[in-house]
Amino acid sequence: DIQMTQSPTSLSASVGDRVSFTCRASQNINNYLNWYQQKPGKAPQVLIYATSSLESGVPSRFSGSGSGTDFTLTINSLQPEDLATYYCQQSFRTPYTFGQGTKVEIK
Amino acid sequence: DVQLLESGGGLVQPGGSLRLSCAASGFSFSHFAMTWVRQAPGKGLEWVSAINSRGQTTYYAESVKGRFTVSSDISKSTLVLQMNSLRADDTAIYYCAKEGGSWGHIDSWGQGTLVTVSS
Repeated sequence: DIQMTQSPTSLSASVGDRVSFTCRASQNINNYLNWYQQKPGKAPQVLIYATSSLESGVPSRFSGSGSGTDFTLTINSLQPEDLATYYCQQSFRTPYTFGQGTKVEIK
Repeated sequence: DVQLLESGGGLVQPGGSLRLSCAASGFSFSHFAMTWVRQAPGKGLEWVSAINSRGQTTYYAESVKGRFTVSSDISKSTLVLQMNSLRADDTAIYYCAKEGGSWGHIDSWGQGTLVTVSS
């Protein structure tokens, strides 16, 4: 199975900050990398798919980048409603494994 | 709008069985692969199983292989997960999810159904 490792496990930032966190795959996943946001008590929602494609309806402050095995999700100008846990997922080869998540807290 | 409505969760004893269903609407069910993802209490997301758009090819996580069976009824737009030989570590919220297309990402999720395995 392809292992997905996210860092950091959690971070705390202020409203308006630019925050980034990373996801590393155990092998090349050819840009089949997706990012999901899960707010407390809710089902996850996709933000970014195919490394950098913004899902329809997702605010443009979210962006994704990377290639090969290393990927980054960036939130420009953090908003209070971005309080959530963010998961990466590879969809290159089944099982489509998730990272362990990065929890974002607002200072 | 896409709607995915899971049912069938509940309390079951270790070694028991449970059948989860997911009623899909708002999209052409036969055109998209479907997935089950679970989340143990306070833990992260775990991909469990998937089935291709025609219901012919199935995929499983190693942790459930041989115990769980995914199927779909295209005529009823329904996804099913038959879970046998349940263990305590199968306790989780189970989400039915729709894949978005060729990139394999999930673009729609159900609200989830809780499965608790305990004596």
